[in-house]
Amino acid sequence: SQELEQSPQSLIVQEGKNLTINCTSSKTLYGLYWYKQKYGEGLIFLMMLQKGGEEKSHEKITAKLDEKKQQSSLHITASQPSHAGIYLCGADIRYGNKLVFGAGTILRVKS
Amino acid sequence: ETGVTQSPTHLIKTRGQQVTLRCSSQSGHNTVSWYQQALGQGPQFIFQYYREEENGRGNFPPRFSGLQFPNYSSELNVNALELDDSALYLCASRIQGLETQYFGPGTRLLVL
Repeated sequence: SQELEQSPQSLIVQEGKNLTINCTSSKTLYGLYWYKQKYGEGLIFLMMLQKGGEEKSHEKITAKLDEKKQQSSLHITASQPSHAGIYLCGADIRYGNKLVFGAGTILRVKS
Repeated sequence: ETGVTQSPTHLIKTRGQQVTLRCSSQSGHNTVSWYQQALGQGPQFIFQYYREEENGRGNFPPRFSGLQFPNYSSELNVNALELDDSALYLCASRIQGLETQYFGPGTRLLVL
């Protein structure tokens, strides 16, 4: 979707390294969601951000929302093989919870 | 495990046929959305159902239709299948008024 741009498209990191995935919206965000997907499977909810400046963490994953820039970042600290997968950002840009998704970032963690 | 189930997991159809996919929502979730995810892309919103009525639709033709039942389970019907309909179809459920959607494992459709 051109409404949500994710970068990078793919990422290979050494186990233990930190990494950041970015998501930029071309429209006003009413809510920003991060999901993780194993290839060909359903989406696993990670975090939702609604307010500018909001930051949430779960285990080693932290997500931030910059409302003014209409951007969100997902940061993984000390990556592990279990972090491998496709990370998708989704945004409610039309209000009413009809989500628009980015194309995803493929993360591979090398042991 | 999100509590959202979908059936079947995989199916193969030929061009021009019709298909019905099913989704069972997480307990208590009264809103269901359907998404199409083509290979290498993010999911695209098809439509949403709340209280058995369509409550928003994405950029999909009328041959994509749906139903929601009193128990909040849902169906996605696609008529006159085209090769480009080959994709992973995901349903997601939530409680109306709460934002977070929980996704099922998806149905992989291949149209030959």
